Amino acid sequence: DTAVSQTPKYLVTQMGNDKSIKCEQNLGHDTMYWYKQDSKKFLKIMFSYNNKELIINETVPNRFSPKSPDKAHLNLHINSLELGDSAVYFCASSQAERKMNTEAFFGQGTRLTVV
Amino acid sequence: AQKITQTQPGMFVQEKEAVTLDCTYDTSDPSYGLFWYKQPSSGEMIFLIYQGSYDQQNATEGRYSLNFQKARKSANLVISASQLGDSAMYFCAMREGYSGGGNKLVFGAGTILRVKS
Repeated sequence: DTAVSQTPKYLVTQMGNDKSIKCEQNLGHDTMYWYKQDSKKFLKIMFSYNNKELIINETVPNRFSPKSPDKAHLNLHINSLELGDSAVYFCASSQAERKMNTEAFFGQGTRLTVV
Repeated sequence: AQKITQTQPGMFVQEKEAVTLDCTYDTSDPSYGLFWYKQPSSGEMIFLIYQGSYDQQNATEGRYSLNFQKARKSANLVISASQLGDSAMYFCAMREGYSGGGNKLVFGAGTILRVKS
């Protein structure tokens, strides 16, 4: 069983389109995240949710809207896609907010290419 | 300011030898955790090892050990007996305990390790 699964793995779309990436974790974790990895491999947090509540929003354009229907799911919807949105998007989860020694488990990533 | 600094963009190591990947961090939080992740060419993020700020001993996990020097704010990863499968990007990351920003992991820029046969 995959612990953190995100779909799709690859997404190629045209500028201006709206797209969604889905993420589910079966680990029973309370906290979920979205990270963006750019072309230079730099990983930057976008959002963090704890028990469906938004905890972190790291100055991400409001074209990006996360939605957490329950604590096992955190989806990412992107409106009006731009070329600069091309990146690998990782979903991750961890056991509890503010528990120091809990690692984050990552999904396999979604490679988004905007053309 | 950079929270996590990895100064080595790339490293080479001969198979079966040990290699140290550098990581320094910046925090005023007394409580924090340090993590290392491996990202092979297939793209997934694999957790390797964790060190807590209050841990007295350096963390070890199999061939991985963490050389934690708190006063220097460094948390270097040591891989012993390198294998070809160790070739990957390695990320150092930190979680702070009490600073604003919740429970996020902040990552360094990464170091690409290439193991030569």
